[in-house]
Amino acid sequence: EIVLTQSPDFQSVTPREKVTITCRASQSIDSLLHWYQQKPGQSPKLLFQYASQSLSGVPSRFSGSGSGTDFTLTINSLEAEDAATYYCHQTKSLPFTFGGGTKVEIK
Amino acid sequence: QVQLVESGGGVVQPGGSLRLSCAASGFIFSNYGMHWVRQAPGKGLEWVSFISSDGSKKYYADFVKGRITISRDKSMNTVYLEMNSLRGEDTAVYYCAKDAQTWSAYYFDYWGQGTPVTVSS
Repeated sequence: EIVLTQSPDFQSVTPREKVTITCRASQSIDSLLHWYQQKPGQSPKLLFQYASQSLSGVPSRFSGSGSGTDFTLTINSLEAEDAATYYCHQTKSLPFTFGGGTKVEIK
Repeated sequence: QVQLVESGGGVVQPGGSLRLSCAASGFIFSNYGMHWVRQAPGKGLEWVSFISSDGSKKYYADFVKGRITISRDKSMNTVYLEMNSLRGEDTAVYYCAKDAQTWSAYYFDYWGQGTPVTVSS
C-alpha cells in the first residue's frame, strides 16, 4: 500500500499569508496525485488533478506541483474562505489512498 | 448538473447489515465508474470501493473485503454498497463519488452529501 504523508497536520495562518502543504508518497506515484478541499460540514471538492492541473473555478492563488514522491499544494495570499482541510490522494495503485489531511485555520 | 444522492445509512448493531444507495443524475451514468469513500467522525478520508462503468470490475479496500459488495443498476442510475458483518470501526459518513474520467482514472470530480452509518449496540 502506498502511504501518503501530509505535513503539517494543522496550520493557523493570517489572511494574505502564504500556505504550503506537502504530501510525500512512500514510493513513486509519477503525477497520479490529486488534491481535495473539504470545508466544515461539506463534502470534499476536487481542486487539482495530476498534481498540477487545476479544475475550473479554482482561484488562481492555488497552485499544485510535484511528481514522483514529493508534492506541494500552495495557497498564495490566503483568504478567509480557504479555511478547510486539504487532502492529497494517489491513484497509482490499489488501494487508492489519501493523506491524513492538513487543516488550515484562519487566525 | 451532476447530482449524487446517497441514502440507506442509519444505526445498526455490530454484526448487522445495511445497503447504501446512491442515485445519480446529470451525467451519462453508464459511462463512468463509481466509488464509495468513507470518513469516520473527526477523521480523514478512506477509499472503500470502486465499480467500473459496465460493472465488470470491482475493487475493494482490504478492510472491507469479504464484508462489502458494490453493484450498480443502469436502469435506475444507482450504485449500491451492501455491507455485512458491520463493526464499530465501520462507523463513518459514506460518500458516493463519481470517477473523473470515462477511462476510470480513480479520482473523483463529484461527491454526494454522504450518508451516516453508526455501528453500535
